[in-house]
This record gives sequence, structure tokens and C-alpha cells, in this order.
Amino acid sequence: AQTVTQSQPEMSVQEAETVTLSCTYDTSENNYYLFWYKQPPSRQMILVIRQEAYKQQNATENRFSVNFQKAAKSFSLKISDSQLGDTAMYFCAGHKLVFGQGTRLTINP
Amino acid sequence: GAGVSQSPSNKVTEKGKDVELRCDPISGHTALYWYRQSLGQGLEFLIYFQGNSAPDKSGLPSDRFSAERTGGSVSTLTIQRTQQEDSAVYLCASSPQQGARGNTIYFGEGSWLTVV
Repeated sequence: AQTVTQSQPEMSVQEAETVTLSCTYDTSENNYYLFWYKQPPSRQMILVIRQEAYKQQNATENRFSVNFQKAAKSFSLKISDSQLGDTAMYFCAGHKLVFGQGTRLTINP
Repeated sequence: GAGVSQSPSNKVTEKGKDVELRCDPISGHTALYWYRQSLGQGLEFLIYFQGNSAPDKSGLPSDRFSAERTGGSVSTLTIQRTQQEDSAVYLCASSPQQGARGNTIYFGEGSWLTVV
């Protein structure tokens, strides 16, 4: 069965700091995609970044990057130069779109 | 439409009543998902439609829950004899193909159901 685990229920950092959100997953597949989604207070889920498992290079989207460790089944999200608008729930999603429990991230001014 | 549209956005119903939640996916998207999100919790997969294939109903929590998708487009999630534990946000999402293949899935804003 697919499982996705986010071990940090809440995190809080100051504006402009860098923050890393953790995610581990379990799958028996060889090729799959992994995703990070953001859910701001408005409730609208938005794709932040995705990673294809057979690509060794870590995905990057502007201030967002991932540290994908396939052997360890780890898929962390790094947010650089954090902004107030990054305040949201962040969900990691694995193969077949099984979601983790989420990490509530607060960026403080 | 421009995005995934869900209605109603908020629904308060009495325990024991039936409710229907509607999802209009993005035009042309063949894959459609329903998730449930309880307050402050993660997303619980409910059901998945892909084209004309039989839906994956493995996440439906009980036989009080059902969903259909007419004409490969609009989907309706029906909850019969609602219970207080059904109170949650019900999120619908769609994607051009199976989302797990890497296609971005697009979420609606959800329907907030409160059972009193």
C-alpha cells in the first residue's frame, strides 16, 4: 500500500529564512512522480513542484527546490528566502496521489 | 471553465439527510478525483474516475457514499443519511490524464459540509 508521511505537523520561521519540510514515502513502483502541494487559507490547493523518480536531478521552481533521496524514499521541500505569502499547509503526495497529513507552515514578519 | 468548479461551497445539513456535492472539472480533463479533508487534517482519497474505465472506489468510507460521473464530465458525490463525522471539506480535482503519471491535477475550492 502507498503511504506518505510528513513528520512535522507545524513549522514557523522568520521572513527571508530558509525552511525545509520533510516527507517520506513508501512504494513498490520503480517509476513514479512525487508532488508538493500548497493549501493557503483560501483553501485552494496549488501545485508547488513535482519530481519524476527516475530523474536524478532535483527539481527546482524559483525559490522552491526538493531534495529527492530515492534509496531513502525521502522527498523534502526547501523554501528559500521565505515570504509571508508562503504561509500555508503543505502536502506531500506520492504515487497514485496519496497525500501526507500536511505541515502547517507559518512565515513570521 | 477556467478551473475546477464545485458547488455548493458551503452546506449545512441535518443529521440523517442526504446531500449531493457537484464537481465541474476543467473541460477536456479525463481524470477526476474526490478527496475528503477533515478540519486540520490531510487529504483522504475517496474515488477516482478515468475516462470510461470503471471508477476506483477503494477510498469510499461506507456504502452511504457514492459518486457518479455523467458523460465523462460533471461528477456528483452523494452522501446518504449524513452523520456528524461526515463534516469535512470535500475536494474535487481533475487532470488531463491520470495524475499519477505526472500531469498536474487541479483542485477546486472545495465544498464545506457541516452536519448538525
